[in-house]
Amino acid sequence: QLQLQESGPGLVKPSETLSLTCTVSGGSISSNSDYWAWIRQPPEKGLEWIVSISYSGNTYYNPSLKSRVIISLDTSKNQFSLKLNSMTAADTAVYYCARLSKRDGSGYCLDYWGQGTQVTVSS
Amino acid sequence: QSVLTQPPSVSAAPGQKVTISCSGSSSNIGNNYVSWYQQLPGTAPKLLIYDNNKRPSGIPDRFSGSKSGTSATLGITGLQTGDEADYYCGTWDSSLSGRVFGGGTKLTVL
Repeated sequence: QLQLQESGPGLVKPSETLSLTCTVSGGSISSNSDYWAWIRQPPEKGLEWIVSISYSGNTYYNPSLKSRVIISLDTSKNQFSLKLNSMTAADTAVYYCARLSKRDGSGYCLDYWGQGTQVTVSS
Repeated sequence: QSVLTQPPSVSAAPGQKVTISCSGSSSNIGNNYVSWYQQLPGTAPKLLIYDNNKRPSGIPDRFSGSKSGTSATLGITGLQTGDEADYYCGTWDSSLSGRVFGGGTKLTVL
């Protein structure tokens, strides 16, 4: 059973850079058919997709966040990471990592999620 | 403002049936597969439906999905109090080159 676990600071100061890591167990991030994604959820609001990356390096960004986002894979540790710079209070949210998979070979879906990590932006 | 439009809330009595709509456009729902996610209070979202109408193993057949044109629908029959959750639709948007979600629908089982 695939498991994902987010890790990183719970508190970030305004203007600083958020760094989060997602550790994957029970499977490999080196799969050619999967993407690895970050999604966030502000308090009392809905889901917002941030970015997705494949093992081959194909990357797709939320246009509204693209200029501030860096995503990377570390296959030696079976992890992928998110960096989001110039943080503001509007970036306060629960951040989730997830796998984007084609399951039966049709469309992609987010089939495994981490438990989420709360990130608060405050001085 | 979400790209996909869902009703903010729906409600029904235990044992009844409810449907949740998800409306989009030709750049998203109209030409891509839709998935649905259930988010129980205080937990991470969970995949409920993928490829418009397929259920992952372990998801009861009380949950169903359908798609017609630029809209998708999640159906839940035999409602239980444990079904109270937020439900989200999601898909790919070809114009944005990114994944999009609906704003979420809060289901209350009265």
